[in-house]
Amino acid sequence: GAVVSQHPSWVICKSGTSVKIECRSLDFQATTMFWYRQFPKQSLMLMATSNEGSKATYEQGVEKDKFLINHASLTLSTLTVTSAHPEDSSFYICSARDGGRFTSEQYFGPGTRLTVT
Amino acid sequence: GEDVEQSLFLSVREGDSSVINCTYTDSSSTYLYWYKQEPGAGLQLLTYIFSNMDMKQDQRLTVLLNKKDKHLSLRIADTQTGDSAIYFCAESKDTGNQFYFGTGTSLTVIP
Repeated sequence: GAVVSQHPSWVICKSGTSVKIECRSLDFQATTMFWYRQFPKQSLMLMATSNEGSKATYEQGVEKDKFLINHASLTLSTLTVTSAHPEDSSFYICSARDGGRFTSEQYFGPGTRLTVT
Repeated sequence: GEDVEQSLFLSVREGDSSVINCTYTDSSSTYLYWYKQEPGAGLQLLTYIFSNMDMKQDQRLTVLLNKKDKHLSLRIADTQTGDSAIYFCAESKDTGNQFYFGTGTSLTVIP
């Protein structure tokens, strides 16, 4: 079946530093990947949609200069949280859409828990 | 944006049926999903239904869709302690790729 991995699974960083999170589709080509964030006991909020080889589309209220998304290949998208602050602490989940299928199904990664101290 | 609402908590006894409800506002939704999230983990797709369907059954899971009322429900038969988790409904359109998630329902199964 379709598998999406994320790395790292958890990370602790100091305020002001940058953190990169990777999202990989392991056995399919993901033409589109999505990044979500989830605060404790809350739902997932879509942050941005990235298509391979083009700029990401950010949801309203998400700072594109703070959350840098790169989708350089059909199997890898990265989210870089720049100049992280404690309020950026969250659970970040990526998902990928299989470009070879005709359904809207997305395959979700296991998530990355970011803690900014 | 689209609003997808769920009740926050549900407790049931082991062996009983659980019914988790979801309402949405976008009548153009084409796909409606149910996801399960265990503590500290990502989302697991349980089932999905197309908007032209009223019902879908998959083993212990039954999904009912009332498109007129924009109401979706997930029934879990013979609920087990391993079913304790947060359940999210989600919707997406036919031409778009964005998913909009509900607020999540935390299901607790009492032994």
